[in-house]
Amino acid sequence: DIQMTQSPSSLSASVGDRVTITCRASQGIRNDLGWYQQKPGKAPKRLIYAASSLQSGVPSRFSGSGSGTEFTLTISSLQPEDFATYYCLQHNSYPRTFGQGTRLEIK
Amino acid sequence: QVQLVQSGAEVKKPGASVKVSCKASGYTFTSYGISWVRQAPGQGLEWMGWISAYNGNTNYAQKLQGRVTMTTDTSTSTAYMELRSLRSDDTAVYYCARDSRGLMAVADAFDIWGQGTMVTVSS
Repeated sequence: DIQMTQSPSSLSASVGDRVTITCRASQGIRNDLGWYQQKPGKAPKRLIYAASSLQSGVPSRFSGSGSGTEFTLTISSLQPEDFATYYCLQHNSYPRTFGQGTRLEIK
Repeated sequence: QVQLVQSGAEVKKPGASVKVSCKASGYTFTSYGISWVRQAPGQGLEWMGWISAYNGNTNYAQKLQGRVTMTTDTSTSTAYMELRSLRSDDTAVYYCARDSRGLMAVADAFDIWGQGTMVTVSS
């Protein structure tokens, strides 16, 4: 199974800050990775697909990079609506695996 | 509009079974598969398994092998997930999500999610 190690597990930041979340895969997954935002009581929402492509309708302050085993999600300038939990997901092989999540909180 | 609509909340006793449905619309159902994901209260996302709507092939998470069955009804574009021998730690929100129809990864994987179904297991 491919393990996805996501860091940090929590992050405290202010509106306007730039933040970066990282996922590391235990083996190469090409670019078969997505980033998801989840707010309480809601289904996950895809932000980034194929590691670096922005989902239609998602603000351009979100960006993704990486390939193989190292991936990052960057939010260039945090907005109040961005405070949520973020997950990476690999869909290169079965079983699909998620990162442990990053809870982004307001400082 | 591409969407997945799930069945409503369930309350079950330990040892019982639950069957959750996920109805697809707005796309060709048999061109994709469906993965099921669950989330226990306050916890992260856990992948449960996948079924191809194209040919019915399945792949289940090892920890659920023997307790879970995923099926599809292509005539109604609906996927089902049945979990048996329920325990209290199966209490969770269950989601379906669109996935690839086979082994090859596709960019559309996990782009669309159902709204979630709360399953509570309690005596």
